[in-house]
Amino acid sequence: GENVEQHPSTLSVQEGDSAVIKCTYSDSASNYFPWYKQELGKRPQLIIDIRSNVGEKKDQRIAVTLNKTAKHFSLHITETQPEDSAVYFCAAPYKYIFGTGTRLKVLA
Amino acid sequence: SQTIHQWPATLVQPVGSPLSLECTVEGTSNPNLYWYRQAAGRGLQLLFYSVGIGQISSEVPQNLSASRPQDRQFILSSKKLLLSDSGFYLCAWVSSGGRRTEAFFGQGTRLTVV
Repeated sequence: GENVEQHPSTLSVQEGDSAVIKCTYSDSASNYFPWYKQELGKRPQLIIDIRSNVGEKKDQRIAVTLNKTAKHFSLHITETQPEDSAVYFCAAPYKYIFGTGTRLKVLA
Repeated sequence: SQTIHQWPATLVQPVGSPLSLECTVEGTSNPNLYWYRQAAGRGLQLLFYSVGIGQISSEVPQNLSASRPQDRQFILSSKKLLLSDSGFYLCAWVSSGGRRTEAFFGQGTRLTVV
């Protein structure tokens, strides 16, 4: 079955710096790669996704890159702000298995 | 539009008591439904998923069970709760077809077993 590994588990950055979170998947047939953000005490929500026919997608300060050969995809957040502090999850669409999560802290 | 309801929002139960959490979806038919558990500060652990009435797949062996008595209803149960069952339980509906395969979560149930 599908296996998703996510790194790092925690990440602290200074406000204005960039943050990068990486996920590795095992099923080479996967063709859809989403990222979710979960604020404290709330439900996870989709923030960006990418299909396997493109290598990068950007939406304002967030972007997702995909390397199908290496089977990994990454979330990039630029110019981080305190409201970016949250837990971020990647997911594999098969059975919708989530990565272990990354707790991002943006230090003011 | 589609909405997903989950209740109760919080629950405190003694060890050994039964559990029943309910999740319903509106605005779609034959949804793919999921139950996840999130321990404090941890990730989203997939417990069960269902692609149709009476069809339940279990991902992790434990003292929990799931049922889908109706198309848009998904229930998580336990006959006897353990302390380790404490956590944040999330029901999700996953849309399929089209460009996006997105998971829509219910509000979650924070279960404390005492």
